Amino acid sequence: KNQVEQSPQSLIILEGKNCTLQCNYTVSPFSNLRWYKQDTGRGPVSLTIMTFSENTKSNGRYTATLDADTKQSSLHITASQLSDSASYICVVGSGYSTLTFGKGTMLLVSP
Amino acid sequence: DSGVTQTPKHLITATGQRVTLRCSPRSGDLSVYWYQQSLDQGLQFLIQYYNGEERAKGNILERFSAQQFPDLHSELNLSSLELGDSALYFCASSATTGYNEQFFGPGTRLTVL
Repeated sequence: KNQVEQSPQSLIILEGKNCTLQCNYTVSPFSNLRWYKQDTGRGPVSLTIMTFSENTKSNGRYTATLDADTKQSSLHITASQLSDSASYICVVGSGYSTLTFGKGTMLLVSP
Repeated sequence: DSGVTQTPKHLITATGQRVTLRCSPRSGDLSVYWYQQSLDQGLQFLIQYYNGEERAKGNILERFSAQQFPDLHSELNLSSLELGDSALYFCASSATTGYNEQFFGPGTRLTVL
């Protein structure tokens, strides 16, 4: 069964600090890995999409890494801002269009 | 604003009832996806339509059905509702399918009493 596990489940950091969120997956066949940001009660917004051949991708202060050999990905947030408070969801695509979602890491950036 | 619209925003109904959720994709997008997000669960993929045809099916119950119309808007029909169907239902759209980025709508919050 395809699974995506994220850690930590929740995280509190001070504004201005950096943090790294983790994602481990067992999805086959692997097609792509995505990170989404979801504000409470709103739809997810795509941050990055990586294929098998990409091992890092940046979007502003967000940098995602992918190790397809160990089936791990991380999302690094630099110089956190209050607006970064949200749930961050790791999503792995397999086959033609099937996506498997992790349960997310809830990040709270404190002033 | 993702360009994907969903109506209604909130829906409160009773067990055993039937409801219809509506989604309009971004202009030009041919694929529509439906997802369910319960309180203690991550997003669960329900079903995908591409240019009017069903393309992929996920964990969609037999009590649920969907369709995509010629103007590309989509409807998700939920029948014989149970308390456990209470959730946020998201629609997403993408240009075609496969690797394309999906843009999510604001969701419909369904409460079954």
